[in-house]
Amino acid sequence: GAVVSQHPSRVICKSGTSVKIECRSLDFQATTMFWYRQFPKQSLMLMATSNEGSKATYEQGVEKDKFLINHASLTLSTLTVTSAHPEDSSFYICSAHSGSRGYGYTFGSGTRLTVV
Amino acid sequence: DAKTTQPPSMDCAEGRAANLPCNHSTISGNEYVYWYRQIHSQGPQYIIHGLKNNETNEMASLIITEDRKSSTLILPHATLRDTAVYYCIVRVPMEYGNKLVFGAGTILRVKS
Repeated sequence: GAVVSQHPSRVICKSGTSVKIECRSLDFQATTMFWYRQFPKQSLMLMATSNEGSKATYEQGVEKDKFLINHASLTLSTLTVTSAHPEDSSFYICSAHSGSRGYGYTFGSGTRLTVV
Repeated sequence: DAKTTQPPSMDCAEGRAANLPCNHSTISGNEYVYWYRQIHSQGPQYIIHGLKNNETNEMASLIITEDRKSSTLILPHATLRDTAVYYCIVRVPMEYGNKLVFGAGTILRVKS
């Protein structure tokens, strides 16, 4: 089946630094990747959608200069949280979709970011 | 812009069927209904999806009403490992492709 690998699973960083999270589709080519954020006891909130080779589309209220998304290849997307602050601490989850594999959206296992 | 409404929580006895309802009264004609579940601190796991017809796979069945305004996910023989948050999602069209917008979900507790 389709597998999406997300790395790192946990990261702690100091306030003001940047953190990069990787999302890889291991056995299929992902034409579209999605990034979600989830706060404790809340649902997943879509942050942005990226198509390979083009700029990401951000949801309303998400700062594109703070959350940099790169989808340089059909198997890799990265999310960089720039100048992180404690309020950015959250669970970040990616999802990948291939139009050629039907209607499935496969999720990564998530990254727990803690900013201290 | 979540388009689904679910009860916040439900309990189910182990071995019995779990029936999870979802309301999506504003769904459009070409929007699919997806179900995912999430076990604590993990990524969501795909369960099933459908458009108009009822669907069944090895995990569950999806019953969609004729007017498509609601659906029910059925786990035929719930086990303790089915305890999770279940999300009913409407796939929303974008300029290029579609996206999944999650609602609040239902916490299903399977009890022995």
